[in-house]
Amino acid sequence: GIQVEQSPPDLILQEGANSTLRCNFSDSVNNLQWFHQNPWGQLINLFYIPSGTKQNGRLSATTVATERYSLLYISSSQTTDSGVYFCAVVGNSGYSTLTFGKGTMLLVSP
Amino acid sequence: SQTIHQWPATLVQPVGSPLSLECTVEGTSNPNLYWYRQAAGRGLQLLFYSVGIGQISSEVPQNLSASRPQDRQFILSSKKLLLSDSGFYLCAWSVGEKLFFGSGTQLSVL
Repeated sequence: GIQVEQSPPDLILQEGANSTLRCNFSDSVNNLQWFHQNPWGQLINLFYIPSGTKQNGRLSATTVATERYSLLYISSSQTTDSGVYFCAVVGNSGYSTLTFGKGTMLLVSP
Repeated sequence: SQTIHQWPATLVQPVGSPLSLECTVEGTSNPNLYWYRQAAGRGLQLLFYSVGIGQISSEVPQNLSASRPQDRQFILSSKKLLLSDSGFYLCAWSVGEKLFFGSGTQLSVL
């Protein structure tokens, strides 16, 4: 099946800093989503972005499908951004359900 | 708007006891429904998914089963829990491309 690798695995930031999270995948995809899991376990869908660029407030995401990666940008980070960020994809061949990466754990300190 | 309800939030069960976790979705029809498990260490594992009433696909053979008795109801069950069944269980739904999660159940098997 498709492989999804996220980097870095862990990230510590000071409040106000910017960050870039990366998601690499091993095959072409027709679905790519970014999620944020807060410290209480709730998973929130941030973006559906199989290609192109989207922005939502301080967060933006870019997927370069031809090069098999996606980036999640967090600007002016806040303590509420802390948690785990997951990338998940559906490959064009094989499984029709999302395959998740192992996530990037982000800690934003005040 | 659509909402997903999952209960209970936490559950402590002895080894060998039965399990029943329930998930319901409101505000949509014919959703795809999913059960995921998240063990310590972050990874999300798809256990079951359903595209309609009575239609269940199992991703991982194990001690668990799932049922979908109604369009917007998804149940995760076990006849006899094992220690290895401990984890964070998440119900999710989709209509179209985006996936949305419930708040999860933290299951501890002792």
